[in-house]
Amino acid sequence: GAVVSQHPSRVICKSGTSVKIECRSLDFQATTMFWYRQFPKQSLMLMATSNEGSKATYEQGVEKDKFLINHASLTLSTLTVTSAHPEDSSFYICSASAGYTEAFFGQGTRLTVV
Amino acid sequence: DAKTTQPPSMDCAEGRAANLPCNHSTISGNEYVYWYRQIHSQGPQYIIHGLKNNETNEMASLIITEDRKSSTLILPHATLRDTAVYYCIVRPRYGADGLTFGKGTHLIIQP
Repeated sequence: GAVVSQHPSRVICKSGTSVKIECRSLDFQATTMFWYRQFPKQSLMLMATSNEGSKATYEQGVEKDKFLINHASLTLSTLTVTSAHPEDSSFYICSASAGYTEAFFGQGTRLTVV
Repeated sequence: DAKTTQPPSMDCAEGRAANLPCNHSTISGNEYVYWYRQIHSQGPQYIIHGLKNNETNEMASLIITEDRKSSTLILPHATLRDTAVYYCIVRPRYGADGLTFGKGTHLIIQP
C-alpha cells in the first residue's frame, strides 16, 4: 500500500508551548489529508479534513485556533497544537488520500504535555 | 457513514483461521465495506474492501452476504502479529469525508 510518514512519533512538551506534527505522503499526491485524535482505550475521532491549498474543515467541538492545520502541498500537511495543555495529551494520527484510492494512515504521534 | 456492529473482542488460536463478523444492516447501495486494523500504538492499516462480491488479497478474505447486511473478514492463518483492533467501516468508494471508526473488535491471537 501507499506510504504515509508522520513525524515525530513521540513528543513531550511543556504546558503552554506549541507542537508541530508533520504528515507526508511519500509515494503519491494526497489531495486530501485527515487528522484524527485517539485517547487511551478509545477509538479514533476525526478532528479535521484538509484539501491542498484550502482551509481545513474542522469537526464539531474541535477548536480551529488551537489545532492549526496547513496543507500547503500535495505531499505535506502539518498539525500545530498551540498553547498545549495536559488535556491535549493524546495519540494524533494523519491519513492521506489521493481521491481515487482508499486512505492510508501515518504511524501516529504520541503527544505528552507536562 | 452507516453504522456497523462488531463484537468487542475475540480470541483465536495461532495458525487457525480468524473470522471476524460485522453487521451493517443500514448500508446504502453505493457504500463499500472497508476493513482496517490497528496494532497497539500504531496508525490503522488498510486490509481490504468490497462492494458485493467476495474479495481476497494477500492479507485477508472478505465475505459479504448477498443482502449486504453483514460481512466477515477472514485471516486464513492467524499469527501473533495479527493481534490488533479490527475496524469494519462502510462508506462510499471514494468518499471525501474522513472515516468514522466504531469500537472495533479486539482480536487476540493465542499461542
